[in-house]
Amino acid sequence: AQSVSQHNHHVILSEAASLELGCNYSYGGTVNLFWYVQYPGQHLQLLLKYFSGDPLVKGIKGFEAEFIKSKFSFNLRKPSVQWSDTAEYFCAVNDLRTGANNLFFGTGTRLTVIP
Amino acid sequence: NAGVTQTPKFRILKIGQSMTLQCTQDMNHNYMYWYRQDPGMGLKLIYYSVGAGITDKGEVPNGYNVSRSTTEDFPLRLELAAPSQTSVYFCASRGLAGAENEQFFGPGTRLTVL
Repeated sequence: AQSVSQHNHHVILSEAASLELGCNYSYGGTVNLFWYVQYPGQHLQLLLKYFSGDPLVKGIKGFEAEFIKSKFSFNLRKPSVQWSDTAEYFCAVNDLRTGANNLFFGTGTRLTVIP
Repeated sequence: NAGVTQTPKFRILKIGQSMTLQCTQDMNHNYMYWYRQDPGMGLKLIYYSVGAGITDKGEVPNGYNVSRSTTEDFPLRLELAAPSQTSVYFCASRGLAGAENEQFFGPGTRLTVL
């Protein structure tokens, strides 16, 4: 089965600092990649996704991610974080080998932004 | 559209009790999923469905059952609740066309088994 690793468990940043959250996956074949965000007390929302084309994808709220196939990575970045970015961030990989293209999630990274 | 709705929001069960977590989507999506989210862990897939009448096991199906009699509804059944089933449960749905399509998530049900 697919496995997804998020190496940063909890990241604490001051406002305006730059952010990079790591994500690596195990399956080397064709995959679709996603970053979801979960704000406190809310459900998961899609930040951005990659399925083909330009490996640098831009999402909502100034987030972007780069797909590097040779490194099996899909790191999330934001040049300048805001207090409102405090949330949990999940990387997910859509394994196209499964019957329903199931999503496999990483363990999540909690981001705390200090005003 | 309401999207994906789940009821109840919270529930406390005693060991051995049973309950059904409800999930409904109004987007006419074929694919529906049940996940559980344990503290400090990612979401784990319990069961999924590719359409009415078709369900299949995910990574962690033991202790759960599902049914899919309509496109809109995908209830999750716990028959004999155990403390290990204390978790937050999320239902999700996805449209048919394109594996790149995102899954839309419901607000979750927080279940505690004592």
